[in-house]
Amino acid sequence: DARVTQTPRHKVTEMGQEVTMRCQPILGHNTVFWYRQTMMQGLELLAYFRNRAPLDDSGMPKDRFSAEMPDATLATLKIQPSEPRDSAVYFCASGTGLAPYNEQFFGPGTRLTVL
Amino acid sequence: GENVEQHPSTLSVQEGDSAVIKCTYSDSASNYFPWYKQELGKRPQLIIDIRSNVGEKKDQRIAVTLNKTAKHFSLHITETQPEDSAVYFCAASMGSNYQLIWGAGTKLIIKP
Repeated sequence: DARVTQTPRHKVTEMGQEVTMRCQPILGHNTVFWYRQTMMQGLELLAYFRNRAPLDDSGMPKDRFSAEMPDATLATLKIQPSEPRDSAVYFCASGTGLAPYNEQFFGPGTRLTVL
Repeated sequence: GENVEQHPSTLSVQEGDSAVIKCTYSDSASNYFPWYKQELGKRPQLIIDIRSNVGEKKDQRIAVTLNKTAKHFSLHITETQPEDSAVYFCAASMGSNYQLIWGAGTKLIIKP
């Protein structure tokens, strides 16, 4: 049963530190999404990629966040410097990109706490 | 751009009763409407979806209906059980666009 994996599952860091979250999409999936979820909000899209190329990162604070796909098996989301308001669960999701069937398969999430 | 509104934000029903969650969308070009369930501490997972060429789809106790004219779609859960307690998200997509536009979520509480 193929699944999206994310590391780390939990991260506690101090304000100002760099945070890197990693995601391994399901093999063969060519679309990857990064979401942020806080207690008070739903799923906020930060960025997404198709065939490793960024299609939309308008939801991401550009001054501190960056998202990349170094290769087809790895997507990364970096925050530098981190702030307490970045505390949230960050989900990665992948999909086949075969429109109009757009099911997204979510990873388990990275729970980030910035002190 | 597309906007999806979801109501109610919280729904509490007695075990065994039915639950209905409604979503409206703004872009008539949207043609794919999935529903995701997120249990506490878990990842969102697709439970049912519908395409714009279909008015209703059922899968055991859950069903989704779509009204393209009114631009709204609903999730129906019958004979609710404790394991139905979760947050449910609706979404809409224009198909050729790979992203989903998400509703804000509905917290469903099943009372014993």
